[in-house]
Amino acid sequence: DAKTTQPTSMDCAEGRAANLPCNHSTISGNEYVYWYRQIHSQGPQYIIHGLKNNETNEMASLIITEDRKSSTLILPHATLRDTAVYYCIVRVADNQGGKLIFGQGTELSVKP
Amino acid sequence: DAGITQSPRHKVTETGTPVTLRCHQTENHRYMYWYRQDPGHGLRLIHYSYGVKDTDKGEVSDGYSVSRSKTEDFLLTLESATSSQTSVYFCAIRLRDASNTEAFFGQGTRLTVV
Repeated sequence: DAKTTQPTSMDCAEGRAANLPCNHSTISGNEYVYWYRQIHSQGPQYIIHGLKNNETNEMASLIITEDRKSSTLILPHATLRDTAVYYCIVRVADNQGGKLIFGQGTELSVKP
Repeated sequence: DAGITQSPRHKVTETGTPVTLRCHQTENHRYMYWYRQDPGHGLRLIHYSYGVKDTDKGEVSDGYSVSRSKTEDFLLTLESATSSQTSVYFCAIRLRDASNTEAFFGQGTRLTVV
């Protein structure tokens, strides 16, 4: 699976949009981009995933560049409860489940 | 929580003793995973399973073994616990018969080896 690069930490003001970048320059054509977050030692929580097109759900939006070498997770109106470590992962969709490999993630601090 | 239960939630054990952690799911998911997480590190994959009796190694499998004799249970065993295996262990599941789905994680087991 392709590796990802994320900033170690970011700050965001409460109520503003949080834009978390991820670089995955070695991504293959059949690899999906997934985002998870982990709030203070709880189990990671799924946020969103995509292949080529931009995706949106009730939690966030995922913007994938046309060349698929990078993506951005957008939390449109960050709250204090969004303070967490955010992980960007790329993986192949295969019949053996695949290895979901986590990197170091971005520690997002939402400040009042 | 997608029907995932990890047990025990906390355990303290002595170096050299065997330890088994259990991950139980109630929804017949095919894929199950064991991760460990240490301070300053993200989650690292230990072993995973893609069906009953079908398992494979992850990034940090040395010192660990797994078994999956039935769909609902995925057991992680430390044959002889060492202090370096002090960690928080997370189990995850992914939906059956779906090659492109998200994973759901348990709440974790905090293991301390003294």
